[in-house]
Amino acid sequence: GAGVSQSPSNKVTEKGKDVELRCDPISGHTALYWYRQSLGQGLEFLIYFQGNSAPDKSGLPSDRFSAERTGGSVSTLTIQRTQQEDSAVYLCASSLTGSRDTQYFGPGTRLTVL
Amino acid sequence: AQKVTQAQTEISVVEKEDVTLDCVYETRDTTYYLFWYKQPPSGELVFLIRRNSFDEQNEISGRYSWNFQKSTSSFNFTITASQVVDSAVYFCALSEAWTNAGKSTFGDGTTLTVKP
Repeated sequence: GAGVSQSPSNKVTEKGKDVELRCDPISGHTALYWYRQSLGQGLEFLIYFQGNSAPDKSGLPSDRFSAERTGGSVSTLTIQRTQQEDSAVYLCASSLTGSRDTQYFGPGTRLTVL
Repeated sequence: AQKVTQAQTEISVVEKEDVTLDCVYETRDTTYYLFWYKQPPSGELVFLIRRNSFDEQNEISGRYSWNFQKSTSSFNFTITASQVVDSAVYFCALSEAWTNAGKSTFGDGTTLTVKP
């Protein structure tokens, strides 16, 4: 079956521009997660969704970051007024019901802010 | 607080050597879940194993084995007779059932290099 997909795979943008990153989870998975991985670093938790709701937004680095999920499926992570420190790989994962389940990761979106 | 520590940043071994990757965790929950993931050079994280806090049995899968010890809050991963294809970054992760339900905490990862 299809795994988690993310688009675009690469995004180069100029400082100050807004970007949208998309995640398509595995069909039937109710939980969805966003992480950020800077070069050579571990995974930084950003936000997770249970259905369309985001019970925990504590990991979002600033108010320039927002995320939504619609129809219990696709999720979009939006970064407004991008800064160079936002450059990283943004990973999306989904799991069947929640964090007690195995998370299946997408290939990531590599964001470069010039 | 939920925390995962992978003290070994980088490990380098020669093919066929055994290698153990350490993972120490902190949690106040009595119910929690531990995971290991592999991130090969291609970049995509791959699930290796999941353990719940009530199952302390060690597990072996081919050349991979895991040693879960609640007494020392450790969940170590051993690769026997390592191969070049084992070269990757390995992450240990923790999810709590109650206190931070929904949030997974990952360690900083251990980069394993297996030389031919």
